[in-house]
Amino acid sequence: QSALTQPRSVSGSPGQSVTISCTGTSSDVGGYNYVSWYQQHPGKAPKLMIYDVSERPSGVPDRFSGSKSGNTASLTISGLQAEDEADYYCSSYAGTYTHWVFGGGTKLTVL
Amino acid sequence: QITLKESGPTLVKPTQTLTLTCTFSGFSLSTSGVGVGWIRQPPGKALEWLALIYWNDGKRYSPPLQSRLAVTKDTSKNQVVLTMTNMDPVDTATYSCAHLSIGWSFDYWGQGTLVTVSS
Repeated sequence: QSALTQPRSVSGSPGQSVTISCTGTSSDVGGYNYVSWYQQHPGKAPKLMIYDVSERPSGVPDRFSGSKSGNTASLTISGLQAEDEADYYCSSYAGTYTHWVFGGGTKLTVL
Repeated sequence: QITLKESGPTLVKPTQTLTLTCTFSGFSLSTSGVGVGWIRQPPGKALEWLALIYWNDGKRYSPPLQSRLAVTKDTSKNQVVLTMTNMDPVDTATYSCAHLSIGWSFDYWGQGTLVTVSS
């Protein structure tokens, strides 16, 4: 059982927006502004899409955005494209004992 | 350009010790603030953080696995080595190393190496 809770799957049609939630506790998501999101296509390495809750690395389209409220972080993908179909994982720094925790992953299907 | 690549055995027997090497380029583990982490992913399952080593030889381990893990670095060879003792079939996973970015995220990942634990 993963430390952070994500929906197992979400779906949307091309052009639509979807939001993936990531729920933790005050010891991880709620306690630090160090939530990151990773995209993983089958058989590929994870790719960093969002860090520090809402920052995008260079090269990541601005269709991807992140936010946080309390113990829940969210990844929103707007203007869905076929290539966005992938697994998405959230992660959070969790302090000097646990360090890093991941979510269980969410499979995004573009209909 | 930062790249990382994992190497090691693809098959280990139960109770054996796993040793994996991460060879990287594009950064130095002697530079202040730099870290390299290890993350694994069982087939069809979620990511799990295992360990991390910092430029100053500081080490961090996943609490449930701490007693079985050790991470070391060889700065001159641009390598990080992860050892995991007493391997069990449940440890079957793809093991990846990754560069720790500012913001406590992992911005560059290796391709990962699948390790199967079976007799």
